[in-house]
Amino acid sequence: ETGVTQTPRHLVMGMTNKKSLKCEQHLGHNAMYWYKQSAKKPLELMFVYNFKEQTENNSVPSRFSPECPNSSHLFLHLHTLQPEDSALYLCASSQGTVTDTQYFGPGTRLTVL
Amino acid sequence: KNQVEQSPQSLIILEGKNCTLQCNYTVSPFSNLRWYKQDTGRGPVSLTIMTFSENTKSNGRYTATLDADTKQSSLHITASQLSDSASYICVVRSGGSYIPTFGRGTSLIVHP
Repeated sequence: ETGVTQTPRHLVMGMTNKKSLKCEQHLGHNAMYWYKQSAKKPLELMFVYNFKEQTENNSVPSRFSPECPNSSHLFLHLHTLQPEDSALYLCASSQGTVTDTQYFGPGTRLTVL
Repeated sequence: KNQVEQSPQSLIILEGKNCTLQCNYTVSPFSNLRWYKQDTGRGPVSLTIMTFSENTKSNGRYTATLDADTKQSSLHITASQLSDSASYICVVRSGGSYIPTFGRGTSLIVHP
């Protein structure tokens, strides 16, 4: 999987910790996304960045803070999370946004204790 | 409210058999519908995308159909293989929206 990479693949953190998830795309795309995938729930789009600018925040709590320093990198900064935030966090990228195919990374499995 | 419902929730079939997964949606206005395959521990991979004017689209052993009048889609898998074991997710996008509507997925297990 060299298209979209994510690190770390697994993360366990306490509710008072601060951690960051990293995503990097090697496809030359202009748009990047963060998704949350919880067990037995549909994928939820969290944030959309297009040309490094945030174009969508899907009512995500402020304890999740995205950062997009350039069109190849995307971060998700985490602080004071709750146990219900435990999920698989997926990053994706696409050439454009609305209709282009999104390419997903393998995800970070997050467990909040 | 935009919704995507998939059935069945899970399915077990024998290798070599065919199967059909269903997707019903209430997304409006309709822009396109995608089927994704998600292997365990990996991100989803797009199989097909269909727009309003397309009725059928194939990708190897995968064939997707779309009936925009009844707002239904199906994904037919022919001659299943063990590697087809995965979750299949239906995603519908409304016109001009960044936020797609995802189904919960159908978990397919192919046994030898």
